[in-house]
Amino acid sequence: AQSVTQLDSHVSVSEGTPVLLRCNYSSSYSPSLFWYVQHPNKGLQLLLKYTSAATLVKGINGFEAEFKKSETSFHLTKPSAHMSDAAEYFCVVTRLNNAGNMLTFGGGTRLMVKP
Amino acid sequence: SAVISQKPSRDICQRGTSLTIQCQVDSQVTMMFWYRQQPGQSLTLIATANQGSEATYESGFVIDKFPISRPNLTFSTLTVSNMSPEDSSIYLCSVNRDTNTEAFFGQGTRLTVV
Repeated sequence: AQSVTQLDSHVSVSEGTPVLLRCNYSSSYSPSLFWYVQHPNKGLQLLLKYTSAATLVKGINGFEAEFKKSETSFHLTKPSAHMSDAAEYFCVVTRLNNAGNMLTFGGGTRLMVKP
Repeated sequence: SAVISQKPSRDICQRGTSLTIQCQVDSQVTMMFWYRQQPGQSLTLIATANQGSEATYESGFVIDKFPISRPNLTFSTLTVSNMSPEDSSIYLCSVNRDTNTEAFFGQGTRLTVV
Protein backbone atom coordinates (compact mmCIF):
# COMPACT_ATOMS: atom_id res chain seq x y z
CA ALA A 1 0.00 0.00 0.00
CA GLN A 2 1.09 3.56 -0.62
CA SER A 3 0.83 6.46 1.75
CA VAL A 4 2.12 9.98 2.05
CA THR A 5 2.75 11.98 5.19
CA GLN A 6 3.32 15.69 5.15
CA LEU A 7 4.98 16.39 8.43
CA ASP A 8 3.78 19.98 8.88
CA SER A 9 0.23 21.14 8.38
CA HIS A 10 1.33 24.80 8.51
CA VAL A 11 4.65 26.46 7.74
CA SER A 12 5.31 30.16 8.18
CA VAL A 13 8.36 31.91 6.74
CA SER A 14 9.43 35.47 6.11
CA GLU A 15 9.76 36.73 2.58
CA GLY A 16 13.26 36.13 1.25
CA THR A 17 14.02 33.22 3.60
CA PRO A 18 14.27 29.54 2.61
CA VAL A 19 11.26 27.26 2.40
CA LEU A 20 11.23 23.61 3.48
CA LEU A 21 8.07 21.52 3.19
CA ARG A 22 8.57 17.97 4.38
CA CYS A 23 7.11 14.83 2.87
CA ASN A 24 7.65 11.15 3.68
CA TYR A 25 6.14 8.32 1.71
CA SER A 26 5.74 4.59 1.88
CA SER A 27 5.38 2.42 -1.17
CA SER A 28 5.70 -1.24 -1.95
CA TYR A 29 7.37 -0.47 -5.25
CA SER A 30 9.37 2.34 -6.85
CA PRO A 31 6.96 5.24 -6.79
CA SER A 32 6.50 8.35 -8.80
CA LEU A 33 6.21 11.41 -6.61
CA PHE A 34 4.81 14.84 -7.25
CA TRP A 35 4.31 18.18 -5.59
CA TYR A 36 1.22 20.17 -6.42
CA VAL A 37 0.29 23.69 -5.34
CA GLN A 38 -3.23 24.99 -4.79
CA HIS A 39 -3.74 28.73 -4.55
CA PRO A 40 -6.96 29.97 -2.94
CA ASN A 41 -9.97 29.42 -5.17
CA LYS A 42 -7.81 28.04 -7.93
CA GLY A 43 -7.11 24.60 -9.35
CA LEU A 44 -4.16 22.35 -8.65
CA GLN A 45 -0.92 23.06 -10.45
CA LEU A 46 1.99 20.69 -10.82
CA LEU A 47 5.20 22.05 -9.31
CA LEU A 48 7.51 19.15 -10.07
CA LYS A 49 7.68 15.39 -10.43
CA TYR A 50 10.07 12.52 -9.79
CA THR A 51 9.75 9.48 -12.03
CA SER A 52 12.95 7.46 -11.39
CA ALA A 53 15.34 9.72 -13.27
CA ALA A 54 17.51 12.30 -11.50
CA THR A 55 16.92 12.33 -7.76
CA LEU A 56 17.13 16.13 -7.56
CA VAL A 57 14.17 17.53 -9.40
CA LYS A 58 13.73 21.15 -10.38
CA GLY A 59 10.29 22.57 -10.81
CA ILE A 60 8.59 25.81 -11.59
CA ASN A 61 8.92 29.08 -9.66
CA GLY A 62 12.31 28.13 -8.21
CA PHE A 63 11.13 25.07 -6.29
CA GLU A 64 13.04 21.82 -6.17
CA ALA A 65 12.80 18.50 -4.38
CA GLU A 66 15.19 15.66 -3.68
CA PHE A 67 14.13 12.03 -3.72
CA LYS A 68 15.93 10.13 -0.95
CA LYS A 69 15.08 6.48 -1.08
CA SER A 70 17.01 5.61 2.08
CA GLU A 71 14.96 8.15 4.02
CA THR A 72 11.72 7.64 2.02
CA SER A 73 11.51 11.39 1.74
CA PHE A 74 10.71 13.91 -0.97
CA HIS A 75 11.04 17.30 0.69
CA LEU A 76 10.23 20.48 -1.23
CA THR A 77 12.56 23.45 -0.97
CA LYS A 78 13.01 26.95 -2.30
CA PRO A 79 15.97 29.20 -1.49
CA SER A 80 13.98 32.41 -1.11
CA ALA A 81 10.26 32.70 -0.42
CA HIS A 82 8.08 35.16 -2.26
CA MET A 83 4.72 36.47 -1.13
CA SER A 84 3.10 34.78 -4.11
CA ASP A 85 4.24 31.38 -2.78
CA ALA A 86 1.58 31.50 -0.07
CA ALA A 87 -0.67 28.55 -0.87
CA GLU A 88 -1.49 24.95 0.02
CA TYR A 89 1.06 22.36 -1.08
CA PHE A 90 0.38 18.67 -1.60
CA CYS A 91 2.87 15.85 -1.81
CA VAL A 92 1.51 13.01 -3.95
CA VAL A 93 2.52 9.42 -4.69
CA THR A 94 1.21 7.27 -7.49
CA ARG A 95 -0.75 4.19 -6.64
CA LEU A 96 -1.97 1.28 -8.72
CA ASN A 97 -5.26 -0.52 -8.45
CA ASN A 98 -7.29 -2.74 -10.75
CA ALA A 99 -8.64 0.25 -12.64
CA GLY A 100 -5.33 1.92 -13.32
CA ASN A 101 -2.91 4.38 -11.89
CA MET A 102 -4.04 7.12 -9.53
CA LEU A 103 -2.72 9.47 -6.92
CA THR A 104 -2.57 9.35 -3.15
CA PHE A 105 -2.42 12.81 -1.62
CA GLY A 106 -0.70 13.87 1.54
CA GLY A 107 -2.63 15.94 4.04
CA GLY A 108 -1.31 19.21 2.68
CA THR A 109 0.91 21.97 4.08
CA ARG A 110 -0.30 25.53 4.19
CA LEU A 111 2.61 27.88 3.51
CA MET A 112 2.30 31.39 4.88
CA VAL A 113 4.78 34.07 3.84
CA LYS A 114 5.22 37.12 6.06
CA PRO A 115 6.41 40.42 4.64
CA SER B 1 -0.88 18.55 -21.26
CA ALA B 2 -4.63 18.44 -20.94
CA VAL B 3 -7.18 21.18 -20.49
CA ILE B 4 -10.11 20.20 -18.32
CA SER B 5 -13.35 22.14 -18.06
CA GLN B 6 -15.63 21.49 -15.14
CA LYS B 7 -19.17 22.74 -14.80
CA PRO B 8 -20.63 24.19 -12.70
CA SER B 9 -17.79 25.99 -10.94
CA ARG B 10 -19.92 26.39 -7.85
CA ASP B 11 -23.45 25.76 -6.69
CA ILE B 12 -25.62 26.07 -3.63
CA CYS B 13 -28.13 23.25 -3.34
CA GLN B 14 -30.96 22.24 -1.07
CA ARG B 15 -30.56 19.10 0.98
CA GLY B 16 -32.21 16.06 -0.52
CA THR B 17 -31.59 17.18 -4.10
CA SER B 18 -28.96 15.94 -6.56
CA LEU B 19 -26.30 17.75 -8.57
CA THR B 20 -24.52 16.51 -11.67
CA ILE B 21 -21.02 17.81 -12.32
CA GLN B 22 -19.61 17.68 -15.82
CA CYS B 23 -15.97 17.20 -16.81
CA GLN B 24 -14.83 17.83 -20.38
CA VAL B 25 -11.26 17.16 -21.56
CA ASP B 26 -9.75 18.71 -24.67
CA SER B 27 -8.36 15.37 -25.88
CA GLN B 28 -9.00 11.67 -25.46
CA VAL B 29 -7.82 10.10 -22.23
CA THR B 30 -8.24 6.61 -20.90
CA MET B 31 -8.30 7.30 -17.20
CA MET B 32 -10.44 9.89 -15.47
CA PHE B 33 -10.73 10.34 -11.74
CA TRP B 34 -13.08 12.12 -9.38
CA TYR B 35 -11.83 13.57 -6.09
CA ARG B 36 -13.47 15.24 -3.14
CA GLN B 37 -11.80 17.94 -1.08
CA GLN B 38 -13.68 18.68 2.11
CA PRO B 39 -13.17 22.10 3.72
CA GLY B 40 -9.62 22.48 4.95
CA GLN B 41 -8.75 18.92 3.95
CA SER B 42 -6.69 17.13 1.37
CA LEU B 43 -8.03 15.38 -1.72
CA THR B 44 -9.68 11.99 -1.43
CA LEU B 45 -10.28 9.79 -4.44
CA ILE B 46 -13.95 8.96 -4.97
CA ALA B 47 -13.70 6.74 -8.02
CA THR B 48 -11.91 5.94 -11.23
CA ALA B 49 -13.93 6.22 -14.43
CA ASN B 50 -12.58 4.41 -17.47
CA GLN B 51 -14.52 4.44 -20.70
CA GLY B 52 -16.28 1.21 -21.47
CA SER B 53 -16.34 -0.14 -17.94
CA GLU B 54 -18.06 0.45 -14.64
CA ALA B 55 -16.52 3.04 -12.39
CA THR B 56 -14.32 1.70 -9.59
CA TYR B 57 -15.17 3.22 -6.23
CA GLU B 58 -12.83 3.73 -3.30
CA SER B 59 -13.65 2.55 0.17
CA GLY B 60 -16.34 4.71 1.71
CA PHE B 61 -17.92 5.76 -1.59
CA VAL B 62 -20.82 3.96 -3.25
CA ILE B 63 -22.43 4.12 -6.65
CA ASP B 64 -25.89 4.97 -5.29
CA LYS B 65 -24.54 8.13 -3.70
CA PHE B 66 -22.04 9.10 -6.42
CA PRO B 67 -23.15 7.66 -9.77
CA ILE B 68 -20.64 8.28 -12.55
CA SER B 69 -21.01 8.22 -16.30
CA ARG B 70 -18.19 7.94 -18.85
CA PRO B 71 -19.84 7.87 -22.26
CA ASN B 72 -16.67 8.60 -24.27
CA LEU B 73 -12.96 9.33 -23.95
CA THR B 74 -13.35 13.08 -23.41
CA PHE B 75 -16.28 13.40 -21.01
CA SER B 76 -17.51 12.24 -17.62
CA THR B 77 -20.14 13.21 -15.08
CA LEU B 78 -20.34 12.78 -11.34
CA THR B 79 -23.69 13.05 -9.58
CA VAL B 80 -23.94 13.80 -5.89
CA SER B 81 -27.25 12.29 -4.89
CA ASN B 82 -29.63 13.03 -2.04
CA MET B 83 -27.33 15.71 -0.74
CA SER B 84 -26.78 16.63 2.87
CA PRO B 85 -24.66 19.43 4.38
CA GLU B 86 -21.86 16.90 4.87
CA ASP B 87 -21.50 16.74 1.08
CA SER B 88 -20.38 20.37 0.99
CA SER B 89 -16.95 20.10 -0.62
CA ILE B 90 -14.94 20.84 -3.70
CA TYR B 91 -15.26 18.10 -6.29
CA LEU B 92 -12.44 17.77 -8.80
CA CYS B 93 -12.06 15.89 -12.03
CA SER B 94 -8.61 14.67 -13.00
CA VAL B 95 -6.97 12.81 -15.88
CA ASN B 96 -3.73 10.91 -16.40
CA ARG B 97 -2.36 10.17 -19.83
CA ASP B 98 -0.15 7.35 -18.67
CA THR B 99 1.17 5.71 -15.56
CA ASN B 100 3.77 7.78 -13.74
CA THR B 101 2.90 10.97 -15.56
CA GLU B 102 1.40 13.95 -13.85
CA ALA B 103 -2.31 14.32 -13.40
CA PHE B 104 -4.20 17.32 -14.70
CA PHE B 105 -7.05 18.79 -12.75
CA GLY B 106 -10.15 20.75 -13.48
CA GLN B 107 -10.78 23.95 -11.54
CA GLY B 108 -13.19 22.11 -9.30
CA THR B 109 -16.82 22.48 -8.37
CA ARG B 110 -17.45 24.14 -5.04
CA LEU B 111 -20.65 22.65 -3.65
CA THR B 112 -22.52 24.05 -0.68
CA VAL B 113 -25.53 22.13 0.63
CA VAL B 114 -27.97 24.07 2.79
